[in-house]
Amino acid sequence: EVQLVESGGGLVQPGGSLRLSCAASGFTFNSCWMIWVRQAPGKGLEWVASINEDGSEKYYVDSVKGRFTISRANAKNSLYLQMNSVRAEDTALYYCARGGYGEVSEFDYWGQGTLVTVSS
Amino acid sequence: DIQMTQSPSTLSASVGDRVTITCRASQSISSWLAWYQQKPGKAPKLLIYKASSLEIGVPSRFSGSGSGTEFTLTISSLQPDDFATYYCQQYSSSLYSFGQGTKLEIK
Repeated sequence: EVQLVESGGGLVQPGGSLRLSCAASGFTFNSCWMIWVRQAPGKGLEWVASINEDGSEKYYVDSVKGRFTISRANAKNSLYLQMNSVRAEDTALYYCARGGYGEVSEFDYWGQGTLVTVSS
Repeated sequence: DIQMTQSPSTLSASVGDRVTITCRASQSISSWLAWYQQKPGKAPKLLIYKASSLEIGVPSRFSGSGSGTEFTLTISSLQPDDFATYYCQQYSSSLYSFGQGTKLEIK
């Protein structure tokens, strides 16, 4: 059974940093693109970042470029999102999702999310 | 970047109705489109991929169509479990994007 479990969310002050993690199981992690998607309270879904199987390709939505870094540790079946210089508008539920095997594709499995609140 | 626009934003319907949600892309995305269902407090669930392919386990009353820039999600006969918010998403490029969502409400 595919499982994605996010952790690391919490309350952080504006300008601060936070590192989100996603523990994956039930599939061949090192063969899949992985993605972070966020959802601000009461709002829609927003793609944040994605990474290919070996971490050699990374993509970001413009609003987080230069502040967030996506990475992965295939030996640990884990995905990360390092969030620096956070802003109030980064407040959201952050989901980890599985992408395709060797290609850009739809997101077929999602975690339950970890909540990030940016506030002083 | 590719912008995705859904309509309507809100849809009121009754059990048994046939409903259609439209998604338009700002440029051609071929058939690289997915549809998701999200219920309150839950993660999104994949319904349709590659514009018209039904994900395993999704009821056949859900169907998708379209290519290029215009796509539709149709629910042939609404069931109580279908009242939720629906999102389209393009994956034509590595810069993914979602539509703003369509909330399907009980009339």
